[in-house]
Amino acid sequence: EVQLVESGGGLVKPGGSLRLSCAASGFTFSSHSMNWVRQAPGKGLEWVSSITSSSSSIYYADSVKGRFTISRDNAKNSLYLQMNSLRAEDTAVYYCARELEAGDWGQGTLVTVSS
Amino acid sequence: DIQMTQSPSSLSASVGDRVTITCRASQSISTYLNWYQQKPGKAPRLLIYAASSLQSGVPSRFSGSGSGTDFTLTISSLQPEDFATYYCQQSYSTLPTFGQGTRLEIK
Repeated sequence: EVQLVESGGGLVKPGGSLRLSCAASGFTFSSHSMNWVRQAPGKGLEWVSSITSSSSSIYYADSVKGRFTISRDNAKNSLYLQMNSLRAEDTAVYYCARELEAGDWGQGTLVTVSS
Repeated sequence: DIQMTQSPSSLSASVGDRVTITCRASQSISTYLNWYQQKPGKAPRLLIYAASSLQSGVPSRFSGSGSGTDFTLTISSLQPEDFATYYCQQSYSTLPTFGQGTRLEIK
C-alpha cells in the first residue's frame, strides 16, 4: 500500500523559514516524480512544485519561485520542501503527491504564516 | 500557464440526479486531464485520469469525457456520499494547474 506522510508544518512568522518532509513507502520511490500541492483555508488546490525521479528536472509555480526549494533523498525515500521568505499568503495545507495521475496523496501538513 | 475553468462553481442536486460538471482549458491539452473529489478535511481523491479512465476502486457511476479543450465529469445517479467539491487538473504542461472547483451540495 502506498503511504505518503508529511511532517514539518507549524506556525512561523512572516519572513521566516520552514522545511517540510514527506516520507514515502509502499512503492519504488526512486522511480517516480513527486509533487507538492497546497490548499489555502477555504480555497482551491494549487500546485507548488515537482521533481523528477533523479532530480534532473525541477519545476515551481511562479508564486513560490525563488523562495521555495524542492529536493529528494532516494536513499531515504523522502521528499522535502524548503520554504524561505514565507508570506501570509503561503498559509495552507501542504500535500505531497506522487505523479498526479497516479492518485496517491498524503494527508497534508498545515503551515500557518502569521505574526 | 494553462488556465482551467470549471462550471458551474456550485451546484445543488438531489440524490438520484444525473449531474455534469464541465472543465475548459485555455489551450489544447489532448486528454491530459484528471478529475478529483475532495471532502472537508481530507486529501483529494483521484476519480478519473487521462480524461476518461476510471481510477481503481471508483464507482462506475462516475465517468469522464472530452479532449482538446473541453471536458466533462458526469455522475449518473448521485449518492449521498458524492456531495463534495470536484476539481479538474491538467497534466499536459510541466506546470500542472487545477480548476477553481465545483461545490456539489444537497438540494
